[in-house]
Amino acid sequence: SQKIEQNSEALNIQEGKTATLTCNYTNYSPAYLQWYRQDPGRGPVFLLLIRENEKEKRKERLKVTFDTTLKQSLFHITASQPADSATYLCALEGTGRRALTFGSGTRLQVQP
Amino acid sequence: DSGVTQTPKHLITATGQRVTLRCSPRSGDLSVYWYQQSLDQGLQFLIQYYNGEERAKGNILERFSAQQFPDLHSELNLSSLELGDSALYFCASSVGQGLWETQYFGPGTRLLVL
Repeated sequence: SQKIEQNSEALNIQEGKTATLTCNYTNYSPAYLQWYRQDPGRGPVFLLLIRENEKEKRKERLKVTFDTTLKQSLFHITASQPADSATYLCALEGTGRRALTFGSGTRLQVQP
Repeated sequence: DSGVTQTPKHLITATGQRVTLRCSPRSGDLSVYWYQQSLDQGLQFLIQYYNGEERAKGNILERFSAQQFPDLHSELNLSSLELGDSALYFCASSVGQGLWETQYFGPGTRLLVL
């Protein structure tokens, strides 16, 4: 069956360090993968999209990698700040490429 | 602020009742998506409309229905409500209908069924 797995345990890191979040998927062949940020009680906010032919994408302090062989995407936040504390969701095309399927998200807590 | 508006912000109702959630997309966006987010299920896609037509359907219950009007706003109707329908309901919009397009999410409607 199809699965998107993100670490359900919260990730706690110190301010200034690099946070690395993982998104693994099974039985999908996505042409692209997206990352969103969600704060408690608010709607997700789009961060980055990476296509299957792109190994890496950067935007300011964010970096996403996409390994279609390993079926994995890594999301990095460098020089993390307490304001980066949120839940991060990965999303990719679901069955029939008709809709986005979201992972359950990983909560990041950056300690000052 | 994403530019997507949803009303009401909060809704408390009883089992068996019917409610309507409303969404106005960003100016210029033709696609509207509805999602349900509960603690145990995560963010689940319900349905998508593009320029007034149903475009894609997810795990939407038969008790739920939606439509997109000529002015592009959308409504999600939930009927015969059950306790398990308590959740955050998000609307999102995008310019076109491609899944590669950025989806802009509204602030959500928090539904509590008692």
